[in-house]
Formats: sequence, structure tokens, C-alpha cells
Amino acid sequence: DAEITQSPRHKITETGRQVTLACHQTWNHNNMFWYRQDLGHGLRLIHYSYGVHDTNKGEVSDGYSVSRSNTEDLPLTLESAASSQTSVYFCASSEGEGGIMTDTQYFGPGTRLTVL
Amino acid sequence: LAKTTQPISMDSYEGQEVNITCSHNNIATNDYITWYQQFPSQGPRFIIQGYKTKVTNEVASLFIPADRKSSTLSLPRVSLSDTAVYYCLVGDGYTRGSTLGRLYFGRGTQLTVWP
Repeated sequence: DAEITQSPRHKITETGRQVTLACHQTWNHNNMFWYRQDLGHGLRLIHYSYGVHDTNKGEVSDGYSVSRSNTEDLPLTLESAASSQTSVYFCASSEGEGGIMTDTQYFGPGTRLTVL
Repeated sequence: LAKTTQPISMDSYEGQEVNITCSHNNIATNDYITWYQQFPSQGPRFIIQGYKTKVTNEVASLFIPADRKSSTLSLPRVSLSDTAVYYCLVGDGYTRGSTLGRLYFGRGTQLTVWP
């Protein structure tokens, strides 16, 4: 069955280190997204991509970067991790035919990141 | 992108019908209304989407009045497993090259179902 996976599921790192969170989907979806979820804020969009070599900033993109070299993967990099980036990170994908909001988004299981 | 307002929490008992209302006063003509469900330690899951009137699937119904400034997610005969956070999203389909790029999930409604 097609799916979307994230790795690692849990990560502890130190302030200032570079961290990369992986996201892989097997649906061949055009659109991919990264969100962070914090208590009291719901889900907030970090970056998104419409397709290969396309990336766009979301609501809370400072301190994060993404690159899309193929359809299946959208890794999220924290260039210099900060304690404020301690959060749960979700990756999602959608087919892309109807646009971001009309498409159903399929979410991964999440990565819990702790920055000490 | 129209922002949404939902109750922070709701309680119900097993077997009851639950209605969660979402306000979106600034909804635009092209906007759709979408609801997601999230269980603890999981990513959100699509429940239902609509544009106007009523939409029903095997999980829920979505009622949208004529002015579209609100919508109501209806869960028939809830069970303990329906305890989750429910998010209402409003927005249109983005085309490639759009400069908008904001998807607003909001804080959602925590539904707790009691035995």
C-alpha cells in the first residue's frame, strides 16, 4: 500500500547542530508539506512544494529549509537548531490536481524533536 | 485565506450525535471547507470536505448554510474512539505560482467522548 513515512520518529539534539528530518511518500503526489505542531498553536505550515525543484515558504519558515530533488522526498533541515524549534513535526502530501486546499492531505506519523 | 473559529473543547457521551460548528465569516467565493481529525500521537486525517449545502460520507456529515459563513460537522452516534481533535480549514485551491501559501489549521476542537 502507498504510504508516507517520516524518520526519525524521535530525535534529541543540541542547540546549534544541524538536523535533517526525512519525509518519504509512495503515492507519487505532486504536493508535499511540512508542519510543526505546538501546544496552543495547532498545526503551522513551515514549507511546501508543488513538485520537483519547487519550494515555498509557509507561515513559520525562519530557521528551516527544504529541497525537492525527486517526487518522493522532501527533507526538512534545521540549519542551526534552537530550543524554540522543539516541537512535533508532520509531513504531508497531496495529489495536487485540485490545489492545496481542495486536495486531501495525507499526513505522516510525525517526528518529535527535542533541542536541548 | 479565511481564518476559522471553533470551540476549544466539547464533551459528549457514547451513542450521542455531536455537532461541531466552525465560523468563517470572511470565506471567499472560491473557498472550500475541509475538516480533519487528529488522534494523539498521530497526524491529522481527512474527514470531509464541502462547498455548500450538505455533504455526507461514511464517517460524518457537513452542513453549510446558504451564506457559508459557518459550517457544522456532525458525527452520528459517537464512540470512545471518536475522542480526538477536529480541525476546520477554509481555503481555495492554490495554483502553481501562487504567493499565498498559508494553510491555517487553527487550534481545533478537542472532542472527548465519555462512556
